[in-house]
Amino acid sequence: DAKTTQPPSMDCAEGRAANLPCNHSTISGNEYVYWYRQIHSQGPQYIIHGLKNNETNEMASLIITEDRKSSTLILPHATLRDTAVYYCIVTSGTNNLFFGTGTRLTVIP
Amino acid sequence: DTEVTQTPKHLVMGMTNKKSLKCEQHMGHRAMYWYKQKAKKPPELMFVYSYEKLSINESVPSRFSPECPNSSLLNLHLHALQPEDSALYLCASSHYAVGRVGSYNEQFFGPGTRLTVL
Repeated sequence: DAKTTQPPSMDCAEGRAANLPCNHSTISGNEYVYWYRQIHSQGPQYIIHGLKNNETNEMASLIITEDRKSSTLILPHATLRDTAVYYCIVTSGTNNLFFGTGTRLTVIP
Repeated sequence: DTEVTQTPKHLVMGMTNKKSLKCEQHMGHRAMYWYKQKAKKPPELMFVYSYEKLSINESVPSRFSPECPNSSLLNLHLHALQPEDSALYLCASSHYAVGRVGSYNEQFFGPGTRLTVL
């Protein structure tokens, strides 16, 4: 599975959009981009995934560049409850999630 | 029911003890997983079960012994652990079995068991 690179930490003002970047320059054609988050002392929670098209669900939007070498997770209106570590994971669709170090997002009141 | 439950929430054990962690899901998922998470580190995959058979062991020491008695239950038996094994142990499940390339496999995680080995 391709490796991902994320900034270690980011801050976002409450009510503003949080844009979390992820680089995955070695991604191959059959690999998906998944995003999970882990709120303190809880298990990770699935957010969204995509292959090459942009995706949106009730939690977030995922923007994947045309060359698929990077992506951005967008939380449109961040709340204090969105403070968490966000993991970008690239996988071929098998069940093996290999978590990187993630981005610690802090939403500031 | 989209919940994965884990018991106990906390466990303290000595290095000579034998204990077990339990995980349960009733979503009809056919793949279940154990992860280990040390403080301030990301989760690390330990084992994958597919259709109640062990399909992946990520070079985990034999003092950790997984068991899948049925499609809803996953156990992790612990014996002769070391203090460095103290961690949060997470269980997860997903719909599809290993090998469904091209499919997405959202994993549902339990809250974890926080293990302390003295």
